[in-house]
Amino acid sequence: NAGVTQTPKFQVLKTGQSMTLQCAQDMNHNSMYWYRQDPGMGLRLIYYSASEGTTDKGEVPNGYNVSRLNKREFSLRLESAAPSQTSVYFCASSDIGGHSNQPQHFGDGTRLSIL
Amino acid sequence: RKEVEQDPGPFNVPEGATVAFNCTYSNSASQSFFWYRQDCRKEPKLLMSVYSSGNEDGRFTAQLNRASQYISLLIRDSKLSDSATYLCVVKPGDMRFGAGTRLTVKP
Repeated sequence: NAGVTQTPKFQVLKTGQSMTLQCAQDMNHNSMYWYRQDPGMGLRLIYYSASEGTTDKGEVPNGYNVSRLNKREFSLRLESAAPSQTSVYFCASSDIGGHSNQPQHFGDGTRLSIL
Repeated sequence: RKEVEQDPGPFNVPEGATVAFNCTYSNSASQSFFWYRQDCRKEPKLLMSVYSSGNEDGRFTAQLNRASQYISLLIRDSKLSDSATYLCVVKPGDMRFGAGTRLTVKP
């Protein structure tokens, strides 16, 4: 069972470089999410997509863009990476977003370091 | 004030001990509540949902107090494999995560 798959698992960038983090889920979920996790802080929502064709900002969207390519795939792009974006990034999906009580299923993360 | 607050720990307990974690949340409109478990350098995984009447899953018991905006997780008969960080999650709309409570169970 693949569940939620993220690529790459590790990446080192220089300040100012761009890159795209990829996420795909095979559970036919409608909603997908991107989070970042920093030491001493909870996961913080960057962007989410409640359904195919829609995206919305989360708690910390600045410096990021997203694309919901199709129902399966949701990518996160850093246009000009900054050291403050060094973090662990998690993609997640759930059956129904918004106010439902459905939990989210997470990918195993991308560790991103920006020098 | 953080939306979801947890004691960061660490909690160091012997095998077989009972340990309790607490979590408070600030948004009274929150409707859904969860406990997730996260192992070191791994992704969060759902441990259990938290229901208004309280619920139990084996050695784990979750409680919700809406009036006090408080959630708890009780682990009985701790195992070495319970060592992890436990994340309190509250859903007023989006999911809001606590920073986690770290538990180490020792032989």
